Amino acid sequence: GQNIDQPTEMTATEGAIVQINCTYQTSGFNGLFWYQQHAGEAPTFLSYNVLDGLEEKGRFSSFLSRSKGYSYLLLKELQMKDSASYLCAVTLNTGGFKTIFGAGTRLFVKA
Amino acid sequence: GAVVSQHPSWVICKSGTSVKIECRSLDFQATTMFWYRQFPKQSLMLMATSNEGSKATYEQGVEKDKFLINHASLTLSTLTVTSAHPEDSSFYICSASQGSSNQPQHFGDGTRLSIL
Repeated sequence: GQNIDQPTEMTATEGAIVQINCTYQTSGFNGLFWYQQHAGEAPTFLSYNVLDGLEEKGRFSSFLSRSKGYSYLLLKELQMKDSASYLCAVTLNTGGFKTIFGAGTRLFVKA
Repeated sequence: GAVVSQHPSWVICKSGTSVKIECRSLDFQATTMFWYRQFPKQSLMLMATSNEGSKATYEQGVEKDKFLINHASLTLSTLTVTSAHPEDSSFYICSASQGSSNQPQHFGDGTRLSIL
């Protein structure tokens, strides 16, 4: 079966750094995505990893270790608007590139 | 960037009604679109993969006769919830990608369906 685990909730302070972890066990792997989802809205794309290592994109970075089935999303210089759910998603190497989503980590940024 | 339009954004209707939700890719051709369902504070659950010009591929446990999917063109997929009941009330989201595995999903704004 397919399984993606991430913490349910995290709280961090404005201006700080937070790391959201994701572990996955899937039958096939084509890449890992991170999405941000504000309450009541659709997810928006943040980052993509296919090879091991760190991808940096402004205040957001994402890391992948394929051998360990592990990824993390790093958010720097946290802002209040970063309060949202962060979804870890794995695209499988099946026809059509099906994507499986984790349950999401709700991040609360406090002043 | 790529845009996916989903309509309607909110539906309230009586039990037994059929509801159609449209998903359009506005600036790219999408041979594959995906339909998800999301309950409050839960993950996106993939319901089905919509393939242009062929039958949709449904996930285990999703009734294909209940959730009818049509992908008649490269820019439009529709999901029809037939004879909807209160337990079908949920947030339905469609997505499309530009055809390769390293392309992110572009999501519609979602449809909040409430069945009375």
